[in-house]
Order: sequence, then C-alpha cells, then structure tokens
Amino acid sequence: DQQVKQNSPSLSVQEGRISILNCDYTNSMFDYFLWYKKYPAEGPTFLISISSIKDKNEDGRFTVFLNKSAKHLSLHIVPSQPGDSAVYFCAASARRSNYKLTFGKGTLLTVNP
Amino acid sequence: DVKVTQSSRYLVKRTGEKVFLECVQDMDHENMFWYRQDPGLGLRLIYFSYDVKMKEKGDIPEGYSVSREKKERFSLILESASTNQTSMYLCASRRGMINQPQHFGDGTRLSIL
Repeated sequence: DQQVKQNSPSLSVQEGRISILNCDYTNSMFDYFLWYKKYPAEGPTFLISISSIKDKNEDGRFTVFLNKSAKHLSLHIVPSQPGDSAVYFCAASARRSNYKLTFGKGTLLTVNP
Repeated sequence: DVKVTQSSRYLVKRTGEKVFLECVQDMDHENMFWYRQDPGLGLRLIYFSYDVKMKEKGDIPEGYSVSREKKERFSLILESASTNQTSMYLCASRRGMINQPQHFGDGTRLSIL
C-alpha cells in the first residue's frame, strides 16, 4: 500500500508563474516531511523540509505547506524558473521508525520559458 | 558540504555475476542507505545501516546484501545478478537517527545483461 502519493506524474508551468506540487500521505505517524529535486543522471538534492509541529516553512522561492488534518502537503515555487525543471519527490518519515524515508513516485515539473 | 561518492556512474554486468556497488561519505555520518529508483516507482529502500557492522532490511531486500565495515563506506552486493535488478542505485547518508535530510550520491546506473 502506497503511504506517500504524488498523484500528478507531471506538471507544466510558464516561467514566472507559481508551481504547486502536491503530496498526500496515509500514515498518521509521519511527523517529518521533505521535498527533493532530481535532475536526470544526478542524485536527489534536498530542497526543503517541515516538521509536523509547523504548518508552513519557507526558504527563498520555495514554501512547503502542511495540512495534518487532510494528510496533505504541498510545495510552492514562486516565481518558477526554467532551471526548476526536474522531478520532485515528496518524502515522509516517523520518529518511531527512526526517520526512515518513504518516498512518493515523483512529479516531473517542466517550466517553459 | 556533504559529499557522498558512488564508485561507478555506469556499470554493465552479466546475469549470475556477483556485483559490488560502493559508496563513501566524508561527513562522519552514522546512517547510510541504499535505494533503487525505477520509472514510475520512485525511490525504494533496499537496506540501511545505523552504524558500523549494523544493517537492517528495507522494503525490497530480496537478492541483495550489504556490508559496512567502516563508518564511511557502505557496500551493496548483488549476490547473483538478474535482469530485474537493472536499475538506478542511489546511496545516501545522514547524521544520526534524527529528523534531518538524507544526502544522496549521484547514483550508479546498473545494467544486467
């Protein structure tokens, strides 16, 4: 059973606009969430994280929102740039499992100039 | 900056061969992980290690084993390679069992013929 779901395999956005990537989870024990970005032929790069005690975390153009009641998180990129084109993975972890990561299947973001 | 180095970027092996994938990190991290990434499946955890000589099975350990004789090095072993083990293999490390991000290497693209 997939515990972390990214229901959109792909997303296309115009440069300068907002990109919103979504992620849903089923395990209520998850208490730490992360977003990774991955370019082809490279390893995933950590982008931003959020603890379950918060509902928002911001880092420059990237903001992650967490809605615990809905078991939903989202990554907002504003403004989007062509260099943001990559696969974005959502990941979740729980203290009781020693913060072992469970990944979603990823969303391919394409930012068009 | 954390540096996770995987010994090979590309590797081609034959069915039935014993295959070794090596990973080294330079940040004295306690935890190390091996994942495989397949199209449409995201990242799946094969094995992880919390400390030297310690190992635990991840979600898909069948057909694999690991070795961690030194803190900085974590090896993934395919005992008898099969074509369904053709994949991208990613190594990661993390400081302790805490809510911190894992840092990834650039991956090894392994083809089993």
